[in-house]
Parts: sequence; C-alpha cells; structure tokens
Amino acid sequence: NAGVTQTPKFRVLKTGQSMTLLCAQDMNHEYMYWYRQDPGMGLRLIHYSVGEGTTAKGEVPDGYNVSRLKKQNFLLGLESAAPSQTSVYFCASSDAGGLYGYTFGSGTRLTVV
Amino acid sequence: AQSVTQPDIHITVSEGASLELRCNYSYGATPYLFWYVQSPGQGLQLLLKYFSGDTLVQGIKGFEAEFKRSQSSFNLRKPSVHWSDAAEYFCALLDTGRRALTFGSGTRLQVQP
Repeated sequence: NAGVTQTPKFRVLKTGQSMTLLCAQDMNHEYMYWYRQDPGMGLRLIHYSVGEGTTAKGEVPDGYNVSRLKKQNFLLGLESAAPSQTSVYFCASSDAGGLYGYTFGSGTRLTVV
Repeated sequence: AQSVTQPDIHITVSEGASLELRCNYSYGATPYLFWYVQSPGQGLQLLLKYFSGDTLVQGIKGFEAEFKRSQSSFNLRKPSVHWSDAAEYFCALLDTGRRALTFGSGTRLQVQP
C-alpha cells in the first residue's frame, strides 16, 4: 500500500547513544516532516524538508539533525540521546505544501534511559 | 505567532449522544484548518479540512466542522457518537510560510456504552 513507512517502530537507547530514524514515502511528495508527540503537548515540528536536498528547522530542532538525500527518504538523527528525547516520533509527507493535509507514518516510540 | 488551542483535554460522552470538540486558533490571515484523529498506537488520519468558502465542512466517518471567523473557532461535531470514535482528536492550522502544520494539544474522547 502507498504511504509513509517509519523504521524502527520501537527503540530503547541509553543516554549518549546515537541513532537514526528512517522515513520513506512512495507518493512522490515534495514535502516531508518530522514531529514529536508528547502527552498534553500535541505534535511539535522538529525539522522539515521542502524538497530533495533541502532541510529546515522547526519548532524544537535542538538535539536532532536531518537529511534528505533522496526525495523519498527523510532521516532523523539523534547524535547523543538524552532522556528528554523520550517521545513518539512521527514522520509525514505532503503534496502542495500541506494544503491538502499530510499522510502520516505509524510512529516510532523511542525511550532513552 | 500562530497558535491552536483545544480547551478540553478529555471528554466523555455516551454512545449515541452528540459530540462537539472545540478548537480556537490565532492567525493573521485566512486560515487553513484541519482535524485529525489518532486511534491508540496509530498514526494520525485526516478527518476534514477547511480552506475557504462554505463554513460548514463535511468529513469522513460522519464528522463535520464549522468555521467561525468572528470567534476564531473551528469546532468538530458529530450527531451520534459510536464506540469506535473513542480516540484522540487534533486540530491543526497550516503555517503557509513554512508549509507545515501547527497542532493543538489534542482532546481525548472516551465513549461510554
């Protein structure tokens, strides 16, 4: 089925470890986004991309890096994980810059101990 | 700065009763507004969207929302709630500069038999 695929679905990290979350979409969307979801805070934008080779900071970018080397993939990296980065991470993609809404992945639950 | 407020953190309704979830926004221009639903452990699914024109918009699963510019509101309604509607609901506003969505903090809906 067409859509947005996130890997992994679950991960436990120790403080200071690094990891990369992968987001892949097969809808040829230009725009891709990474959000984190925390209880009572809704979804907050970490980074986004308006096309292959571009990235931009969102609302809460500190401690994260991203890359969009291929149009279909958007990677989110944590260089040195902290307990404050325990969250559920969602990737999304859109056509027309979000005017018609997003397609979301199913999320990655990350715990940093 | 734009913002979205969902005043109700948690709402409980009886099955078959009507439902209204509140959303207020702050934005200087014509807003592009969305409602999403998130079932437990799932990603977000688009229910409906408002761009312009008719202030009452219809969505999937029997939901509708009414845009009221004078009140800066975009409330979600359903005439008769089903047990399967139990989920978390998010209102969102498109930042047309970033082409990214700003989400409210969400309203968790519980449905009593």
